[in-house]
Amino acid sequence: GAGVSQSPSNKVTEKGKDVELRCDPISGHTALYWYRQRLGQGLEFLIYFQGNSAPDKSGLPSDRFSAERTGESVSTLTIQRTQQEDSAVYLCASSLGSTGELFFGEGSRLTVL
Amino acid sequence: AQKITQTQPGMFVQEKEAVTLDCTYDTSDPSYGLFWYKQPSSGEMIFLIYQGSYDQQNATEGRYSLNFQKARKSANLVISASQLGDSAMYFCAMRESNTGGFKTIFGAGTRLFVKA
Repeated sequence: GAGVSQSPSNKVTEKGKDVELRCDPISGHTALYWYRQRLGQGLEFLIYFQGNSAPDKSGLPSDRFSAERTGESVSTLTIQRTQQEDSAVYLCASSLGSTGELFFGEGSRLTVL
Repeated sequence: AQKITQTQPGMFVQEKEAVTLDCTYDTSDPSYGLFWYKQPSSGEMIFLIYQGSYDQQNATEGRYSLNFQKARKSANLVISASQLGDSAMYFCAMRESNTGGFKTIFGAGTRLFVKA
């Protein structure tokens, strides 16, 4: 499709397990964002990739969180040793360079039991 | 420090009336952009309107307009002729420059309830 694609749409895991969330941005979009949205809350910035520049990791809440992006394509967000407080919807968005609005995926809902 | 502030956790409006959702921001970057997004109960994020810091006129998109007061650092969203389908969460966002590019951050949101 032409939109931002995220997988899995739903993930249930046990506390202490590692999870990987994937984001496939719109082709040609150089900027890619990850946000976390807890139930009923706003969007919490996690990490931002812009082209080949070093990512802005200032929003990652702990060293259990990491993200990678290969060039201007797919990104993966990895959460190690998941905790119950990691339960949230993880939203990915992409944009065309530094201008223009963000286009969001449908999110990956993570539930940590 | 909170960079995007939305002081109204919830708002009620009568159908067909206008409503203003407040947003204030804080930045030292002279070049920035302001956005409003709508998030219905389905969870999707819908872009509504954009205002650039150098834009001279307030942005408008159909029933949405952005009341941009640069000196006061406010970017309120005005929805005219409210419809039942406008019931949703509304997020204000700001894109400012940082090392390596432009980061976009969001406010906590305002939940709008439109009454029939």
